[in-house]
Amino acid sequence: EVQLVESGGGLVQPGGSLKLSCAVSGFSFSLSAIHWVRQASGKGPEWVGRIRSKADMYATAYAASMIGRFTISRDDLTHTAYLQINSLKSEDTAVYYCLRPGVARITNSGVIEDWFDPWGQGTLVTVSS
Amino acid sequence: QSVLTQPPSVSAAPGQKVSISCSGSSSNIANNFVSWYQQLPETAPRLLIYEDDQRPSGVPDRFSGSKSGTSATLDIAGLRTGDEADYFCGTWDSSLSAVVFGVGTKLTVL
Repeated sequence: EVQLVESGGGLVQPGGSLKLSCAVSGFSFSLSAIHWVRQASGKGPEWVGRIRSKADMYATAYAASMIGRFTISRDDLTHTAYLQINSLKSEDTAVYYCLRPGVARITNSGVIEDWFDPWGQGTLVTVSS
Repeated sequence: QSVLTQPPSVSAAPGQKVSISCSGSSSNIANNFVSWYQQLPETAPRLLIYEDDQRPSGVPDRFSGSKSGTSATLDIAGLRTGDEADYFCGTWDSSLSAVVFGVGTKLTVL
């Protein structure tokens, strides 16, 4: 069974930092990209970014609004992905999900991964003083 | 503010069929695949449709997806009270180089 279990969320003061973890089992973690998506209460999901596999040089990409404060990393030995968030703001309050993408598509624009299954329970990050 | 537009809510009676639309542009829906997700209250999203019209195993065939131009549609037939949930569309946006999601549509089964 494919499982992605997020942890590390909690209550953080504005300006603080947090490192979220994503423990993976049930599929070949080292061969898969991992994406992070967040969802604020009552809102639609918002893509944070992704990290590709070693074969793709662990390439990372982020949504434009996430560049600078968000860093995605991974440890293939422990089958764990991470999301580091710095200089936290109240608008970062959300449930954060790590996700396995579906089959990647190779296009003229590069490799695209645009659907995700399954979704875990996520980890709640609350930024408040 | 999402680049994908969904109606805030739709409703229909049990047993009826409902359609949920997702409107985008040439940089996203028109030239990329669309996926749909169901989010029951207080739960994580669940994939319903991928690559415009493909159902993962375990998703009933009451759920179907289609696309035409810059819009996609999720149809749910034979509505049940258990279908009451938020439904999101998602796709790749080539201009933003990012995955984008709709803001969601709340389905009420009257």
